[in-house]
Amino acid sequence: DQQVKQNSPSLSVQEGRISILNCDYTNSMFDYFLWYKKYPAEGPTFLISISSIKDKNEDGRFTVFLNKSAKHLSLHIVPSQPGDSAVYFCAASALAGGTSYGKLTFGQGTILTVHP
Amino acid sequence: ETGVTQSPTHLIKTRGQQVTLRCSSQSGHNTVSWYQQALGQGPQFIFQYYREEENGRGNFPPRFSGLQFPNYSSELNVNALELDDSALYLCASSLGGAPLNSPLHFGNGTRLTVT
Repeated sequence: DQQVKQNSPSLSVQEGRISILNCDYTNSMFDYFLWYKKYPAEGPTFLISISSIKDKNEDGRFTVFLNKSAKHLSLHIVPSQPGDSAVYFCAASALAGGTSYGKLTFGQGTILTVHP
Repeated sequence: ETGVTQSPTHLIKTRGQQVTLRCSSQSGHNTVSWYQQALGQGPQFIFQYYREEENGRGNFPPRFSGLQFPNYSSELNVNALELDDSALYLCASSLGGAPLNSPLHFGNGTRLTVT
């Protein structure tokens, strides 16, 4: 049972344009969401997070939007740069029930390619 | 600030053997989590250790076990290796009990191949 889904295996974008990566979840207990970026031969690197009490969080070129009613979140990268080319993972956690902070449920990942 | 380090980086084992993977957490972090990432998939939670005790476990059989030491470093042990255990094993550290702005910090992983 895939509780976090990234339905687009890959995305190709031109440099300077917007990249939009999408993620859907099914578990209504999830209340904390994160995006990680992964380069080959490296571990995932934290990008940005959002709590379920918010619907938007922004950090520089990265903005995460959360639509709780649709159980959907998205990551916007503006403007996209060739160095953003990597695999992006959406992850979710259920903190309110006392579950450990370490237990993240990840999506399958989306490969983003930004062309110069 | 020292990041999360894992050893070895690559490992080849035969089906039925046992393996131990090691992880040193980021300085100041007292919680260690282990994840398995199969090819083309996202990382899957194996278990977490906090104050040397297992504190949460994913859907993995008992032949996956771990330890956390007083210096917060950790080991992942897998017994009776199966071909499907071939994967990238990721260790992540965090500060247990911290507010939401303390996400997991991952190491670069150990690539395990079971033949």
